[in-house]
Amino acid sequence: GNSVTQMEGPVTLSEEAFLTINCTYTATGYPSLFWYVQYPGEGLQLLLKATKADDKGSNKGFEATYRKETTSFHLEKGSVQVSDSAVYFCALWYNTDKLIFGTGTRLQVFP
Amino acid sequence: DAEITQSPRHKITETGRQVTLACHQTWNHNNMFWYRQDLGHGLRLIHYSYGVQDTNKGEVSDGYSVSRSNTEDLPLTLESAASSQTSVYFCASSEANEQFFGPGTRLTVL
Repeated sequence: GNSVTQMEGPVTLSEEAFLTINCTYTATGYPSLFWYVQYPGEGLQLLLKATKADDKGSNKGFEATYRKETTSFHLEKGSVQVSDSAVYFCALWYNTDKLIFGTGTRLQVFP
Repeated sequence: DAEITQSPRHKITETGRQVTLACHQTWNHNNMFWYRQDLGHGLRLIHYSYGVQDTNKGEVSDGYSVSRSNTEDLPLTLESAASSQTSVYFCASSEANEQFFGPGTRLTVL
């Protein structure tokens, strides 16, 4: 079946460090892929998405490239800020508007 | 601005009681969803609806029900609350492949 696997956290970084959060997926066909972010006490917000192979989604300095050959959609940012501290969810969308989420990765950025 | 709201934001109840969590969206989206969020599980789909009078079971639907009498609202009912239903509940709505989430309801069942 369809599934998403993302690295366990927490990921702890100093401000201005480089961030990678790994996400791999299993799916039939050609799913769309998403990264959502959840700030403390809030609901999830869409961070970026990619709808086909080799697409790169980007937003707020974050990027992720849809790699069909490795079934991956890793999230990266060149220089994290304290305000990026949150939980990040990788998700897969298939047919009828249903999303499948990974378990989430908590990012903690210290000054 | 369009939005999606949930109420209450926090709820404490006792085992065996019926509880209803409200979800209201002003996006005019046909699709609405309920998830629960638990440590180690991410978000799991409870129920969803593709329009008025339409409801469908998700992967963890046992003990929950929903009804859709209009486009804006999808209330989630716990028929007889159990301690295993202590969780944070999120409502979402969507058109196409982007979902918009509410702020969540933290439910504690004692």
